[in-house]
Amino acid sequence: DADVTQTPRNRITKTGKRIMLECSQTKGHDRMYWYRQDPGLGLQLIYYSFDVKDINKGEISDGYSVSRQAQAKFSLSLESAIPNQTALYFCATSDSNRDQPQHFGDGTRLSIL
Amino acid sequence: ILNVEQSPQSLHVQEGDSTNFTCSFPSSNFYALHWYRWETAKSPEALFVMTLNGDEKKKGRISATLNTKEGYSYLYIKGSQPEDSATYLCASASYNTDKLIFGTGTRLQVFP
Repeated sequence: DADVTQTPRNRITKTGKRIMLECSQTKGHDRMYWYRQDPGLGLQLIYYSFDVKDINKGEISDGYSVSRQAQAKFSLSLESAIPNQTALYFCATSDSNRDQPQHFGDGTRLSIL
Repeated sequence: ILNVEQSPQSLHVQEGDSTNFTCSFPSSNFYALHWYRWETAKSPEALFVMTLNGDEKKKGRISATLNTKEGYSYLYIKGSQPEDSATYLCASASYNTDKLIFGTGTRLQVFP
């Protein structure tokens, strides 16, 4: 089983719909992250969390919200999806942010029509 | 340099060729430099995390060097194989932020 599991893997939905992407991990890491990847751009950080009571905005948090339900679970919501949120989304975890590697899920490909 | 920059953007080599590419990052407040390998339809996987100036790390045919004073890292692949085809991402961490800043990657294609 994967250490970092994202669901769903693919999602097609319509403008204005509420969408939740879920991430769970079995690595026991405190730190969890949500990234977005667009063609030609690097991974952009949406939100990150260092423990259950800690939520921080990343570079592109507008239009997104997150919930850290437990140490192992970190979900990303799009309250009212818009077409320019079509992208590949990754969840990642790490033992510490800066000198330990991040471990990524398999990604969620989201298309908003 | 304010951002993380990688060059070249893409690279096509023949099987058996050795290759290298560059990651440039802000040298001020440097903390760590990460390299990831990202195969198509898979998730990025960590190759190396480097923190010390002059550090060199190796994993099989892949190695990386780090110069924190001038703000660059090189990734080398010796005797490229088709299975090395992937996008190679670097990311920089600094003391004054909790976040990693990723480059846009170098896409490597190795032809048999």
